[in-house]
Amino acid sequence: SQQGEEDPQALSIQEGENATMNCSYKTSINNLQWYRQNSGRGLVHLILIRSNEREKHSGRLRVTLDTSKKSSSLLITASRAADTASYFCATVSTGGGNKLTFGTGTQLKVEL
Amino acid sequence: DAGVIQSPRHEVTEMGQEVTLRCKPISGHDYLFWYRQTMMRGLELLIYFNNNVPIDDSGMPEDRFSAKMPNASFSTLKIQPSEPRDSAVYFCASRRESKTGELFFGEGSRLTVL
Repeated sequence: SQQGEEDPQALSIQEGENATMNCSYKTSINNLQWYRQNSGRGLVHLILIRSNEREKHSGRLRVTLDTSKKSSSLLITASRAADTASYFCATVSTGGGNKLTFGTGTQLKVEL
Repeated sequence: DAGVIQSPRHEVTEMGQEVTLRCKPISGHDYLFWYRQTMMRGLELLIYFNNNVPIDDSGMPEDRFSAKMPNASFSTLKIQPSEPRDSAVYFCASRRESKTGELFFGEGSRLTVL
């Protein structure tokens, strides 16, 4: 079953604009991770945020986490055509062992 | 580092045939995961191993599915007999023993069962 639900399911923006994707989850977590998947490829880890953190940055990526609302957001600033991909949030649940459960994903298209 | 290596990349087979998917994790990684990805169900965890031992196989859909990890550098996922609804992309992923759990994915095996 899906732990996380991403919103929106699809997003189309122009190059240079910012892209924001949201993720909601259901259980208490140890950490939340974001992954990118280019078409026909495997998933690639982007960034991890721990349950006791509220915000984290990595290059053009900014992730926030609100454990009270069980939600996270991924912001990609100054988007590029190469950012076109699907983005997934994934959670490690408290007491869930070592399982990483993925959300449904957001398809991002960045147009020139 | 070569990354997680999966084979075959593409497999087309007929219903009832046996399918074997293979995975070589990154050297030194203690955990290995098998996921299945479909449009309808997204990414589903099938099974994962720690130090070659199966820890949680609750995601394996039926007895037709089996997975083994005979050593630290090799794992197989077998479907016997295969059915059209097994058509999906199967991913293998591995990671080190750590509290955070960043996964490294292979490129996947796309299975089509006719």
